[in-house]
Amino acid sequence: EPEVTQTPSHQVTQMGQEVILRCVPISNHLYFYWYRQILGQKVEFLVSFYNNEISEKSEIFDDQFSVERPDGSNFTLKIRSTKLEDSAMYFCASRQDLDTQYFGPGTRLTVL
Amino acid sequence: AQSVTQPDIHITVSEGASLELRCNYSYGATPYLFWYVQSPGQGLQLLLKYFSGDTLVQGIKGFEAEFKRSQSSFNLRKPSVPWSEAAEYFCAVCFMEYGNKLVFGAGTILRVKS
Repeated sequence: EPEVTQTPSHQVTQMGQEVILRCVPISNHLYFYWYRQILGQKVEFLVSFYNNEISEKSEIFDDQFSVERPDGSNFTLKIRSTKLEDSAMYFCASRQDLDTQYFGPGTRLTVL
Repeated sequence: AQSVTQPDIHITVSEGASLELRCNYSYGATPYLFWYVQSPGQGLQLLLKYFSGDTLVQGIKGFEAEFKRSQSSFNLRKPSVPWSEAAEYFCAVCFMEYGNKLVFGAGTILRVKS
């Protein structure tokens, strides 16, 4: 069964450094999402992406964040200058048309 | 504002006992409804979903959920829970007029006593 994959599974970085989290959505899906889950808290929406542009973003998704679909298969989330409070599990999800969002296994980001 | 409430932060049941996890939402229309499960250190696995039609939906691993419009609820049930299903369970709601994003409840941590 096709699945969403994410790399790396764990990323450790120093505060102020840039990180890129990578996702490979399910191949025939059209809509892509990033969510995050700070330890012990609920899963929160960050951004949705369709037709090569952002369709919606939350207030969390400020100028430090960006998303890109560089090559038709990868979907990336970049954090330009990480802060301690960016430490979280980041989930990528994708969906086809009016259907279910399927989630990847997540990338645990630790900012020191 | 649209919201999702899971009133039980923790639930403990004995192995083999039945389970019901509660979920309520606040929204003017009928949203799309989902239950996901997250085992420790793992991603989010879809258990079941409701879009329309029969209000009792069946999912994987013997789970079912019932949508009750009058109560704005979508409770998850299982008649007998094995030890292996201790995990965190999330109710999620897709409010179609708000960009199709998922809004998650806070989660319910299920502990299973052997």
